[in-house]
Amino acid sequence: SQELEQSPQSLIVQEGKNLTINCTSSKTLYGLYWYKQKYGEGLIFLMMLQKGGEEKSHEKITAKLDEKKQQSSLHITASQPSHAGIYLCGADLSLSNFGNEKLTFGTGTRLTIIP
Amino acid sequence: GAVVSQHPSWVICKSGTSVKIECRSLDFQATTMFWYRQFPKQSLMLMATSNEGSKATYEQGVEKDKFLINHASLTLSTLTVTSAHPEDSSFYICSVSRGDTDTQYFGPGTRLTVL
Repeated sequence: SQELEQSPQSLIVQEGKNLTINCTSSKTLYGLYWYKQKYGEGLIFLMMLQKGGEEKSHEKITAKLDEKKQQSSLHITASQPSHAGIYLCGADLSLSNFGNEKLTFGTGTRLTIIP
Repeated sequence: GAVVSQHPSWVICKSGTSVKIECRSLDFQATTMFWYRQFPKQSLMLMATSNEGSKATYEQGVEKDKFLINHASLTLSTLTVTSAHPEDSSFYICSVSRGDTDTQYFGPGTRLTVL
């Protein structure tokens, strides 16, 4: 089974609407990273969360890590066409190797924005 | 089975030497390959996009003369770290994209340690 599950797999929303993407693990997330990917392009780093209960925002995107550090959510407010793409969460699942070992990636969420 | 392989999986070299890392697409012909470097707080940072038969596109701040990328065939891309220094020590990861889909398949990574 997948170590990091993302939901939903696909999301179609009307421009201007809010949306949330979730990333869930059965293991403790010692570092949780959110990335965005547009078609034909590489991953772009969005945010990193490390502490339980931590929340970060950048423009209209807010990411949270729950207190148990097993789930993260990415929330987009007033979505725009530029938000369209694939959102991937990545995580360090080992405390001893934080930042030094290959990430475990989520399954990805494809976001489509309808004008 | 693995879709992408990298070689070597780890390498230790002396400062001032050059190191070549290979990324192979095992299951399909990859029109596009991406090279990432992993940092502790930002995790994956896109270094460059490698397209078969053409020059690689480097991200801002990445020295093209230091990180030479050659995408000689549809199944092989190489990253050469020239005149390596200790600060180049990192985890380098490639990913491949088939072209008809935006799914990226990540390689297992190469750990470079420069003494």
